[in-house]
Amino acid sequence: AQKITQTQPGMFVQEKEAVTLDCTYDTSDQSYGLFWYKQPSSGEMIFLIYQGSYDEQNATEGRYSLNFQKARKSANLVISASQLGDSAMYFCAMREGRDRGSTLGRLYFGRGTQLTVWP
Amino acid sequence: DAGVIQSPRHEVTEMGQEVTLRCKPISGHNSLFWYRQTMMRGLELLIYFNNNVPIDDSGMPEDRFSAKMPNASFSTLKIQPSEPRDSAVYFCASSLAGTGLINEKLFFGSGTQLSVL
Repeated sequence: AQKITQTQPGMFVQEKEAVTLDCTYDTSDQSYGLFWYKQPSSGEMIFLIYQGSYDEQNATEGRYSLNFQKARKSANLVISASQLGDSAMYFCAMREGRDRGSTLGRLYFGRGTQLTVWP
Repeated sequence: DAGVIQSPRHEVTEMGQEVTLRCKPISGHNSLFWYRQTMMRGLELLIYFNNNVPIDDSGMPEDRFSAKMPNASFSTLKIQPSEPRDSAVYFCASSLAGTGLINEKLFFGSGTQLSVL
């Protein structure tokens, strides 16, 4: 089974509008961490935001916020006031807390969502 | 501070040739990861090291691929012989997550764009 599922291959949003990028995850661990990365056309992977499974508040970093719904196992990224520079591929990722011998530290990535912001 | 440094940025080679990709992780990081990114398969974890020891190499496609980490500041990914289907972007990333810290993020290098003709 996929650890991370991003069901939206592509999303479009107008400048200054908000957009939500979906992410669902699959784990039986109680302790885990969720990450979002941005990959612009230049190719580098840029860390955006982190949410721990025990964090009671939704994470926020500037215009980025994470809509964490634990019971639904979803960790959607919300970008407010979109800018043209937000056009990029966005990846959701998860690290599980339990060490299964060969998984400690490993980050599982989704397939990504290509966001296009238009003027 | 320098981030994760990968070289070369671009590599064009002919089928059958040996290719070596290099990575210098962030100083002090104890985990190093090699990823491959393609349109078809997305980001695939090839191998990762914890304290210079390979922990999981189940993602390495086949025997043509090998990776080493002789010390904490250097790793190589070698493909021998290379094939056109190996064309992809190869990322190296490092982290402090090998100690079980869930919130430690991965820091990625700029990637190596490999084209095998």
